[in-house]
Amino acid sequence: DTGVSQNPRHKITKRGQNVTFRCDPISEHNRLYWYRQTLGQGPEFLTYFQNEAQLEKSRLLSDRFSAERPKGSFSTLEIQRTEQGDSAMYLCASSLVAGGDEQFFGPGTRLTVL
Amino acid sequence: AQSVTQPDIHITVSEGASLELRCNYSYGATPYLFWYVQSPGQGLQLLLKYFSGDTLVQGIKGFEAEFKRSQSSFNLRKPSVHWSDAAEYFCAVGADNTDKLIFGTGTRLQVFP
Repeated sequence: DTGVSQNPRHKITKRGQNVTFRCDPISEHNRLYWYRQTLGQGPEFLTYFQNEAQLEKSRLLSDRFSAERPKGSFSTLEIQRTEQGDSAMYLCASSLVAGGDEQFFGPGTRLTVL
Repeated sequence: AQSVTQPDIHITVSEGASLELRCNYSYGATPYLFWYVQSPGQGLQLLLKYFSGDTLVQGIKGFEAEFKRSQSSFNLRKPSVHWSDAAEYFCAVGADNTDKLIFGTGTRLQVFP
């Protein structure tokens, strides 16, 4: 079990550019979550998938954000036309089953928008 | 709406002292409750969780937490803190009709030798 992995670990970009992050969950986990964490705050839920289906999206996820999990394995989170307010740590988590099962978190991708 | 409050932003204790981190939640039914720890450069690690049953739950690294429905609290405790416990601690609530976790703002623990 290699755990949840995220790439890249750090991303610096200029305002207006597009960025994409990748999350590889634990292999047998069918639930995958994205959270965003800003400095001094706890993680905030963005969206989650059951296999390839996106089941819920937070109002935090504006039209510039899109997430996919095309084959029910890895997931990507894309931010278009980045803004300075998008600077944050983006966390991915996965779990085996529904109903409050433990979510295993990856190390996160830290995004800095200049 | 569900919410979690961690009243203490920063706590400092001496190594070997006891520890209690406070967590209050808001949720209509019986929630799922979690404590996670986050060390610098590390992902969130689950310390313990409460779903139902015994209100005193044991976790890893010598931590325990007690669910008190009457006080809407789920405080984390450790009888003797080690220097390696210095980290950020997050309380979270999840509901049985959704799988998202609602986190508190965290408590930063500093341990002095």
